[in-house]
Amino acid sequence: DTEVTQTPKHLVMGMTNKKSLKCEQHMGHRAMYWYKQKAKKPPELMFVYSYEKLSINESVPSRFSPECPNSSLLNLHLHALQPEDSALYLCASSHRGSNQPQHFGDGTRLSIL
Amino acid sequence: ILNVEQSPQSLHVQEGDSTNFTCSFPSSNFYALHWYRWETAKSPEALFVMTLNGDEKKKGRISATLNTKEGYSYLYIKGSQPEDSATYLCAFTGTASKLTFGTGTRLQVTL
Repeated sequence: DTEVTQTPKHLVMGMTNKKSLKCEQHMGHRAMYWYKQKAKKPPELMFVYSYEKLSINESVPSRFSPECPNSSLLNLHLHALQPEDSALYLCASSHRGSNQPQHFGDGTRLSIL
Repeated sequence: ILNVEQSPQSLHVQEGDSTNFTCSFPSSNFYALHWYRWETAKSPEALFVMTLNGDEKKKGRISATLNTKEGYSYLYIKGSQPEDSATYLCAFTGTASKLTFGTGTRLQVTL
């Protein structure tokens, strides 16, 4: 069982909907990440939070809005998405530092109609 | 744009075979090299994080080496088992403190 919990596991939404992806960890990690993974491609970093503050935004369109309400929770708010945004969205967490392994959730499979 | 490449793209071996894969990455601004195993319908699992040139790490039948001067890492699996079937991803971290993943090696081990 993964120690990083993502909900929902699957999400189908229309282009005008607003929805949120949630990620939770209780390992005391102070760095949390969102990745996007398209079929047959490697995960691509979207956002990094460090001590609940956004530290990296990989030029992600504003229709994706991250939020880190506390040290255990990470949200990704979705609005006006496009069909090409359909992908697996992975959350990860780690202790701070590039030499720390990241712990991943199972992901949310998102489909945009 | 960082170029992290893995080869082969896919590999099919029989139970008991030993195998290895390659990850190549930029040799400049190196900070760490990660290896992850990603089984179908599960989450990626960290295998190793390597930081020093010449580093070797081992976890059971799986081991990895690192050459930061020439920009490559090898992952070895000794005596492959069906449960080793997964996609193996390497990921490079430079001074920007973020992971850039390779495209992965998909391993299938059959009886």
